[in-house]
Amino acid sequence: AQSVTQPDIHITVSEGASLELRCNYSYGATPYLFWYVQSPGQGLQLLLKYFSGDTLVQGIKGFEAEFKRSQSSFNLRKPSVHWSDAAEYFCAVGVYNNNDMRFGAGTRLTVKP
Amino acid sequence: EAQVTQNPRYLITVTGKKLTVTCSQNMNHEYMSWYRQDPGLGLRQIYYSMNVEVTDKGDVPEGYKVSRKEKRNFPLILESPSPNQTSLYFCASSPDRDSYGYTFGSGTRLTVV
Repeated sequence: AQSVTQPDIHITVSEGASLELRCNYSYGATPYLFWYVQSPGQGLQLLLKYFSGDTLVQGIKGFEAEFKRSQSSFNLRKPSVHWSDAAEYFCAVGVYNNNDMRFGAGTRLTVKP
Repeated sequence: EAQVTQNPRYLITVTGKKLTVTCSQNMNHEYMSWYRQDPGLGLRQIYYSMNVEVTDKGDVPEGYKVSRKEKRNFPLILESPSPNQTSLYFCASSPDRDSYGYTFGSGTRLTVV
């Protein structure tokens, strides 16, 4: 079965600084990859997803992620973080024809003024 | 507005007292799923449903029941809740098994004492 690892439990960045959240997956074939964001007290919102094609994926709120098959990674990036980006971020992996998605443990992002 | 509605948002109950958490979606989605979120573990799937009257176990189904009598509703039933079921629960839906744009509800925080 597929699995996801988010190595960083908590990351703190200054407002305006760049951000990279790490995600590594384990799956034998090409996976479907996702990033979700969870603001305090809210459900999860889809930021972006990768199914196939261009390995650099653009999402909402200025986020992007790059699929690197050789590293089994799908890291999330943002060039300049805003205070409103403080939230918990989840990476997830799915497989074709099976809606069984596996989520990572999450990375909590704190943004310093 | 397209949404997944869960009720209640917060619930404190006692061990052994049967409870139901409701989930309703207004997007005519075929696929619905329940997750629980625990610190350090991310989201784990409890049950999912491909369509009306079609349900199946996820990763952590013990102690839970579900039903899918109508397309829009997917209640989660705890027949005899125990303290280890204290968690944050999310319902999610997507158009079908091959569409991974999950829409999540706002969550139900359950405490079993």
